[in-house]
Amino acid sequence: NAGVTQTPKFQVLKTGQSMTLQCAQDMNHEYMSWYRQDPGMGLRLIHYSVGAGITDQGEVPNGYNVSRSTTEDFPLRLLSAAPSQTSVYFCASSYWAGSNEKLFFGSGTQLSVL
Amino acid sequence: KQEVTQIPAALSVPEGENLVLNCSFTDSAIYNLQWFRQDPGKGLTSLLLIQSSQREQTSGRLNASLDKSSGRSTLYIAASQPGDSATYLCAAGGVNNNDMRFGAGTRLTVKP
Repeated sequence: NAGVTQTPKFQVLKTGQSMTLQCAQDMNHEYMSWYRQDPGMGLRLIHYSVGAGITDQGEVPNGYNVSRSTTEDFPLRLLSAAPSQTSVYFCASSYWAGSNEKLFFGSGTQLSVL
Repeated sequence: KQEVTQIPAALSVPEGENLVLNCSFTDSAIYNLQWFRQDPGKGLTSLLLIQSSQREQTSGRLNASLDKSSGRSTLYIAASQPGDSATYLCAAGGVNNNDMRFGAGTRLTVKP
């Protein structure tokens, strides 16, 4: 079982560049989400989706866009990268959005913006 | 707004020691409290989930307790092993997974 797959694992960008972080899950999960993890801080929710075609903002959505055209994929787009977006990004999914549903995490993307 | 704090940020113990990791949260109106493990370069793995109506959950050498009234949870690890070395994060849950708020974690090192 692949679970939650994130690509790339590492990425270096220059300020102003754009890129897309990929996230795919093969567990037929309805709920998918993106977090960022910064030193000394807990994971913070960027965007989430409760099903194909449905997305919503989390705690720190500015500078990021998402879409959900299929159940399996939930890409995160940085339109114009800034040094403040240097972080480790995690994608997570669960069968549905209820809080008692177990969250499965990808292995993360380490992003540096110079 | 829910704030979750974990102290200490790092802990080093000799192998075989019993230890307690602490988690505190500011809003007692939580649906559950989860403990996760994170290994270097990896994502989070759920260890234990305590429902708001429960006092504790156990899995093997791990025991997590919850005291909503005081806004605290503890993770007890018995007979620690070097393989337990990792970062442990707690998260206070709301109605849905998007309501979950994470602590910054405690980095545990168990020395052989």
